[in-house]
Amino acid sequence: DQQVKQNSPSLSVQEGRISILNCDYTNSMFDYFLWYKKYPAEGPTFLISISSIKDKNEDGRFTVFLNKSAKHLSLHIVPSQPGDSAVYFCAASEGGSEKLVFGKGMKLTVNP
Amino acid sequence: EPEVTQTPSHQVTQMGQEVILRCVPISNHLYFYWYRQILGQKVEFLVSFYNNEISEKSEIFDDQFSVERPDGSNFTLKIRSTKLEDSAMYFCASSEIRGTGELFFGEGSRLTVL
Repeated sequence: DQQVKQNSPSLSVQEGRISILNCDYTNSMFDYFLWYKKYPAEGPTFLISISSIKDKNEDGRFTVFLNKSAKHLSLHIVPSQPGDSAVYFCAASEGGSEKLVFGKGMKLTVNP
Repeated sequence: EPEVTQTPSHQVTQMGQEVILRCVPISNHLYFYWYRQILGQKVEFLVSFYNNEISEKSEIFDDQFSVERPDGSNFTLKIRSTKLEDSAMYFCASSEIRGTGELFFGEGSRLTVL
């Protein structure tokens, strides 16, 4: 079941640069998309979300872009900071369902 | 800052034994969830719970699993007869509002079935 795909397992960037994390989905019924980040030995923490009626949502250094025609979303972190180093999960839900479908995660490393 | 707490942090059990994982959700939250992550795999939805009943469950959540809110604060996941493939990190989560996907997760309970 690969409804939400994060095809790159890891990304390494320099502090101050932009981090771009990508996510693809196959289920056209998904209408809400989220990014979670996870530090070792902790549970996932909600970061930012976007509804399918929007194509962009911004919260401080974090911006999520949604391209519905391509079934693709991305998370931009600008500027990246060493504290952003974590595993980032893309997740999606279908209207009316409480179930979140997660991607496999992507490990981001921000080097000082 | 309020947080979701889970106990135990790690439990080792023999195959066929019953296990209860406990969670204390954030106090003003009304919606409760269990997810699990098998090592190296995705975080998977197990069940959601609201108003003292299951509101949604996945195919994974078969008759071996049950959830309960025995009092005003705890939310438990019981696995009646554990199998090797139940070995995973189990995450409890809660939310104040339904449908936003903005869940607050606990740190997880690692279950190892031998």
